[in-house]
Amino acid sequence: QVQLKESGPGLVQPSETLSLTCTVSGFSLTSYSVSWVRQPSGKGPEWMGRMWYDGDTAYNSALKSRLSISRDTSKNQVFLKMNSLQTDDTGTYYCTREGRAYYGSWFAYWGQGTLVTVSS
Amino acid sequence: DIQMTQSPASLSASLGETVTIECRASEDIYSNLAWYQQKPGNSPQLLIYDANSLADGVPSRFSGSGSGTQYSLKINSLQSEDVASYFCQQYNNYLDTFGAGTKLELK
Repeated sequence: QVQLKESGPGLVQPSETLSLTCTVSGFSLTSYSVSWVRQPSGKGPEWMGRMWYDGDTAYNSALKSRLSISRDTSKNQVFLKMNSLQTDDTGTYYCTREGRAYYGSWFAYWGQGTLVTVSS
Repeated sequence: DIQMTQSPASLSASLGETVTIECRASEDIYSNLAWYQQKPGNSPQLLIYDANSLADGVPSRFSGSGSGTQYSLKINSLQSEDVASYFCQQYNNYLDTFGAGTKLELK
């Protein structure tokens, strides 16, 4: 079955870089796109960016200057790196899989999420 | 970027009641809209996609409608397990955006 699992540090210092890994199973990264979505506590989700099935990327314009998404298809992993973290970057970070192969669409599958706290 | 305005921000309803949540897009999104339910401590779960298609395993009391810039989620015969937050998401131009959410509580 389709599974996604986020991993990474729970605590990041202000101005430092966040590195997260999404490990997937049950589907191919060369058929389905994977997005990163974050959610501050008590607020709505925010789409951060997408790793397309063909290796291309797309980013939220508000985060584009700080964000990089990459992948290793041999390890079934998608990576997120975001620099210059501030306290308002605190929240739960999810990786998600599209509902349709090859096309951007709704998020049919979500990981369990990983809580990232930005604090000194 | 396309802005999604969701209303109301919170809603209190009785068991068995019908509730409606709305999302308005800042431009035409051609029914490229999904609805999610999120219970505390859990990841969002897909309810509706393509504005009116019910996701697998979702009870038929949930339904979606709308077109252009105006969309709605309706819950018929509210059940206690429907207490949750609900979010809309547009995926029309591959720069996705979400609504701010609606928190549904029991009266």
